[in-house]
Amino acid sequence: DIQMTQSPSSLSASVGDRVTISCRASQDVSSWLAWYQQKPGKAPKSLIYAASNLQSGVPSRFSGSGSGTDFTLTINNLQPEDFATYFCQHYNTYPITFGQGTRLEIK
Amino acid sequence: QVQLVESGGGAVQPGTSLRVSCEASGFTFSSYPMHWLRQAPGEGLEWVAVISPDGSPHAYADSVRGRFTIARDNSQNTLYLQMKSLRVEDSALYYCAKEGHSSGKAGTLDVWGQGTMVTVSS
Repeated sequence: DIQMTQSPSSLSASVGDRVTISCRASQDVSSWLAWYQQKPGKAPKSLIYAASNLQSGVPSRFSGSGSGTDFTLTINNLQPEDFATYFCQHYNTYPITFGQGTRLEIK
Repeated sequence: QVQLVESGGGAVQPGTSLRVSCEASGFTFSSYPMHWLRQAPGEGLEWVAVISPDGSPHAYADSVRGRFTIARDNSQNTLYLQMKSLRVEDSALYYCAKEGHSSGKAGTLDVWGQGTMVTVSS
């Protein structure tokens, strides 16, 4: 199975900041990488697919990049509603697997 | 609007069976692969199983293969997960999800239900 490793596991930031979350795959997944946002008590929400494509309705302050084994989620101009946990997921093949999550907290 | 609503969760003893369901609305259910995933309290996300639009072939996580069966009824817009020989470690919030973007081999999950809780305990 492909292992997905996110870093950092948690980070603190302020409204208006720019943050970057990294995701590394244990083997090449091409661009088959998705990002999700999850708030407490809620289901995950799809943000990005194919490494850099924004899901419909997702604000443009979110962006994704990378290919192969190394990927990045960037959030510009953090808003209060962005404080949540973020997961990456590969979909190169089954089983699909997720990173362990990055908890973004308010500083 | 596109919606998935899970039901059927509950508290059961180890070794027993349970079936959870997911009713879909707002999209052409029979056109999409559908997935089950789970999340133990305070933990990350674990993919469980996928079913193709017509009901075959399926794929399962190693942790549930041989014990869980995914099925769908396209006439009822409903997805099922039959769980047998349940273990304490199967305790989790079970989500159904609609497949979004596909690599041709697997996919993303672009719509999720709210989840149904399964607790396995003696």
